Amino acid sequence: GQQLNQSPQSMFIQEGEDVSMNCTSSSIFNTWLWYKQDPGEGPVLLIALYKAGELTSNGRLTAQFGTTRKDSFLNISASIPSDVGIYFCAASVDNYGQNFVFGPGTRLSVLP
Amino acid sequence: NAGVTQTPKFRVLKTGQSMTLLCAQDMNHEYMYWYRQDPGMGLRLIHYSVGEGTTAKGEVPDGYNVSRLKKQNFLLGLESAAPSQTSVYFCASSPRDLRYTDTQYFGPGTRLTVL
Repeated sequence: GQQLNQSPQSMFIQEGEDVSMNCTSSSIFNTWLWYKQDPGEGPVLLIALYKAGELTSNGRLTAQFGTTRKDSFLNISASIPSDVGIYFCAASVDNYGQNFVFGPGTRLSVLP
Repeated sequence: NAGVTQTPKFRVLKTGQSMTLLCAQDMNHEYMYWYRQDPGMGLRLIHYSVGEGTTAKGEVPDGYNVSRLKKQNFLLGLESAAPSQTSVYFCASSPRDLRYTDTQYFGPGTRLTVL
């Protein structure tokens, strides 16, 4: 079946640093979503990407839909303590409807 | 405006018992979803609905049933609980198909343990 890999699995960064994480697969997808989940809470949808090569920003977050349609990237600039959490990517193809595949997540810790 | 609410927040069942999880949204969203999240993993879609009176299977539908009798409510039922159904269950809603919108809201989750 289709599977998403996220790297790194976890990362520790200093407050103020920029962060990069990615999501890769051997399959082609048409839509990519990025979520953030705080401990004990439901996920929050951060960014949605619909076209290969598309670059979309949401505040300090920027995500890109890879040109091969097999990957996506999320960058966070000037990290702050509230950026701590787990970041999940999810992807779908048109004929899968709402059946998005989720990656295992990247756990981000921000050191003051 | 409460967004998406879920009841109960916690539940412990014995194997073979049944229960219903209730999800309610007050945003007039057409689409509603039930996911499960196991420790250290991403979400997996159980069932979803694209409007009142409709339901569809997700990735892991076995052992679960759903109903959407009213637009604002989406119920998830476990007829005969099994330990493999121990998980955190999240409900979510969106105004449109997730392939065409960047708006989706999640509830706080229900932590279910099956002994």
